[in-house]
Amino acid sequence: GQNIDQPTEMTATEGAIVQINCTYQTSGFNGLFWYQQHAGEAPTFLSYNVLDGLEEKGRFSSFLSRSKGYSYLLLKELQMKDSASYLCAVSDSNYQLIWGAGTKLIIKP
Amino acid sequence: GAVVSQHPSRVICKSGTSVKIECRSLDFQATTMFWYRQFPKKSLMLMATSNEGSKATYEQGVEKDKFLINHASLTLSTLTVTSAHPEDSSFYICSAREGAGDYNEQFFGPGTRLTVL
Repeated sequence: GQNIDQPTEMTATEGAIVQINCTYQTSGFNGLFWYQQHAGEAPTFLSYNVLDGLEEKGRFSSFLSRSKGYSYLLLKELQMKDSASYLCAVSDSNYQLIWGAGTKLIIKP
Repeated sequence: GAVVSQHPSRVICKSGTSVKIECRSLDFQATTMFWYRQFPKKSLMLMATSNEGSKATYEQGVEKDKFLINHASLTLSTLTVTSAHPEDSSFYICSAREGAGDYNEQFFGPGTRLTVL
């Protein structure tokens, strides 16, 4: 079956760095997405990886290893507004998104 | 970036009534639209995939007669919750994709909060 695993909840301190991991087992692979979702709102796009390596975009970076079925989202210089759920999603062989359950990130002052 | 709108953003209805939710891609043509349902503190659950001009493909366990989907044009898809009941109360989110390919980002609408009394 298809499966996306990510931690349920993480806590970090304002100004620090946090890494949210995602492992996946899917039928086919056409890229991995990270989305941010604040409570009561729709997800917003953060990053897309289809090749191995690190993609950096400002304070956020995303890494992919296809051979390991593994990705992480790295958030630097954490701000209180980064408190949200972070969803990992994999595009499978049919270009359908398979979603992880999301990681709730709590930022403390 | 591409913009997807959803209407209404919030709706409260009585049990037994039907509710229609619209999803529009404002600045691109969406060959495929997706309808998701999300329960509190849960991830997105794909309900159905619709391609313009053809019947929607429903996920297992989703009643197609209960959740009617119409993708009448390349910019509009509608979800109708028929004979709504309190257990249908949820956050419904649509997303739209311009086409399949190497980069197939889905653009999300803002969501519709449905409360059935």
